[in-house]
Amino acid sequence: GAVVSQHPSWVICKSGTSVKIECRSLDFQATTMFWYRQFPKQSLMLMATSNEGSKATYEQGVEKDKFLINHASLTLSTLTVTSAHPEDSSFYICSATPGLAGGNEQFFGPGTRLTVL
Amino acid sequence: AQKITQTQPGMFVQEKEAVTLDCTYDTSDPSYGLFWYKQPSSGEMIFLIYQGSYDQQNATEGRYSLNFQKARKSANLVISASQLGDSAMYFCAMRERSFGNEKLTFGTGTRLTIIP
Repeated sequence: GAVVSQHPSWVICKSGTSVKIECRSLDFQATTMFWYRQFPKQSLMLMATSNEGSKATYEQGVEKDKFLINHASLTLSTLTVTSAHPEDSSFYICSATPGLAGGNEQFFGPGTRLTVL
Repeated sequence: AQKITQTQPGMFVQEKEAVTLDCTYDTSDPSYGLFWYKQPSSGEMIFLIYQGSYDQQNATEGRYSLNFQKARKSANLVISASQLGDSAMYFCAMRERSFGNEKLTFGTGTRLTIIP
């Protein structure tokens, strides 16, 4: 199957700093990428959907100014958590889809564990 | 309203036995897809099986099969001959179209523990 990578796999930062997480599709072009957040012992919650070259569509309740998403190319999307606080500590997972040509299946990255001190 | 419901927060099953994980869904869209993912403690989401709403036959992938009952809106995952490595969280998810995008909605998950 298709491979999606995330970097970093884990990050610890101080409160108030910004953290950037990268999501890359390694062997296919991703027309759409998705960002999810998963709190401990909970399910994945979709944060936003991003299409290459256009603004991301955020889910209700997700602050677009706090979680900046950039999908500048067909193989890379980034999520920047700005002015991170301890309540932003979570597991962030991205997924990517090649679109209709690839059956619209979502391929998931391995996730990034963010801890804000 | 909950779109995907998994009513079993946790299950314990003896090794080599079969196990059924329940999933019910709610949608008014005639075209949708149902997925099962496995999430081990390392966190990655592992795709197991997919069922399209128009598929006539139940999906099967090795030891995994999906018991799709469209009228009852259920899509239960059956794992045959369970193994210790099957211990993990299992999520049911539904794909439907929203504002031109296709998105996945996940259930709350079932933690499966296989007992030797």
